[in-house]
Amino acid sequence: DAGVIQSPRHEVTEMGQEVTLRCKPISGHDYLFWYRQTMMRGLELLIYFNNNVPIDDSGMPEDRFSAKMPNASFSTLKIQPSEPRDSAVYFCASSLFSGNQPQHFGDGTRLSIL
Amino acid sequence: GQQLNQSPQSMFIQEGEDVSMNCTSSSIFNTWLWYKQEPGEGPVLLIALYKAGELTSNGRLTAQFGITRKDSFLNISASIPSDVGIYFCAGQRNSGGYQKVTFGTGTKLQVIP
Repeated sequence: DAGVIQSPRHEVTEMGQEVTLRCKPISGHDYLFWYRQTMMRGLELLIYFNNNVPIDDSGMPEDRFSAKMPNASFSTLKIQPSEPRDSAVYFCASSLFSGNQPQHFGDGTRLSIL
Repeated sequence: GQQLNQSPQSMFIQEGEDVSMNCTSSSIFNTWLWYKQEPGEGPVLLIALYKAGELTSNGRLTAQFGITRKDSFLNISASIPSDVGIYFCAGQRNSGGYQKVTFGTGTKLQVIP
């Protein structure tokens, strides 16, 4: 079975540019999560969706960050305008609704803002 | 965000040695998870624990859900070079209708052949 698929795997861009990260969750999973990982702060939850609806975006650092889930098989995380301090690895994860089902992670997007 | 206390932060061990790492929290969780992350990849689930006191094995890995529901440990027996990576614990509990996950700070494991 295909796991969580993220694209691009690497992104290097100049500050001020718009960045769009993409995620395809595991088919049938009801929840989708966006995380940011840095050495200093570890894994931080940015936002999560349930059945394509954003439930909690309290982890989104600033208004420059936005996320959408137009359908059950696709989500985007957008940064506009990007800043050097946004450089990090961004992970998408998905899980089933029922019980205590664990989250399954994609391989991440390594983002570098110059 | 909140993180669990995971120790040790890093370990250098000789191939063949056993490894032990643990996670503690001031909060109660209803699920404990252990993930492994290798360079350039996302965390991969190793073991999931659903009941206090539960002891679960996955090959050379053994993990336990603490009786108090505030801690968990992971043991790796007879380590091999491919065990290298960062191991994360994660606790799950109900919050606002979904399973809120809190991650540990990670244990970086290096195995000397």
